[in-house]
Amino acid sequence: EIVLTQSPGTLSLSPGERATLSCRASQSVSSSYLAWYQQKPGQAPRLLIYGASSRATGIPDRFSGSGSGTDFTLTISRLEPEDFAVYYCQQYGSSTTFGQGTKVEIK
Amino acid sequence: QVQLQESGPGLVKPSETLSLTCTVSGGSFSNYYWSWIRQPPGKGLEWIGYIFYSGSTNYNPSLRSRVTISVETSKNQFSLKLSSVTAADTAVYYCARDSRAITMVRGINYYYYYMDVWGKGTTVTVSS
Repeated sequence: EIVLTQSPGTLSLSPGERATLSCRASQSVSSSYLAWYQQKPGQAPRLLIYGASSRATGIPDRFSGSGSGTDFTLTISRLEPEDFAVYYCQQYGSSTTFGQGTKVEIK
Repeated sequence: QVQLQESGPGLVKPSETLSLTCTVSGGSFSNYYWSWIRQPPGKGLEWIGYIFYSGSTNYNPSLRSRVTISVETSKNQFSLKLSSVTAADTAVYYCARDSRAITMVRGINYYYYYMDVWGKGTTVTVSS
């Protein structure tokens, strides 16, 4: 099973700042099978990025994804108040796994 | 617009079987994979398994011995059964559309996998 490790666990930033979230895989993951989700309290996760770098429908362009192999990054260029949430990466291999999440909180 | 709705008992006794159903409305049920995911209180997401509309399945190895996912295409529904539950199975259970997209670039097919539509989730507590 591929383990995804996200860092940092918590990111304390102010609105307008840039957020950089990391997702590291225990073995190589096809970029096509790497996705990112946003989850707010009491809500279901929402798809942000698929294929490591493609934005899902309706996702603002301040969200971007990059990476390949074992290292992937989600970047939020300028944090808006509604972006403070928990973010998960996910991979599809023989089994599907999620990272443990990164919480982006208001500083 | 596709919508998913989970339903089932909110309380299950230890050692019994948890049963949930997800109803899909507003879009096609065919040619998609459909997943179950859960989230224990205050914790992260755990994939349970998926079913293709035709009935083929794939389960999380850690849960495989206790999980059965089935489909009823005539009702646009798929269901989860988790046997021999314990308190550790207490969680919010989500169903989701597990999409497979294909894009051709310069004659090469690229396949993309992602969960693009989610239900709101249902809380299941395991307690006597």
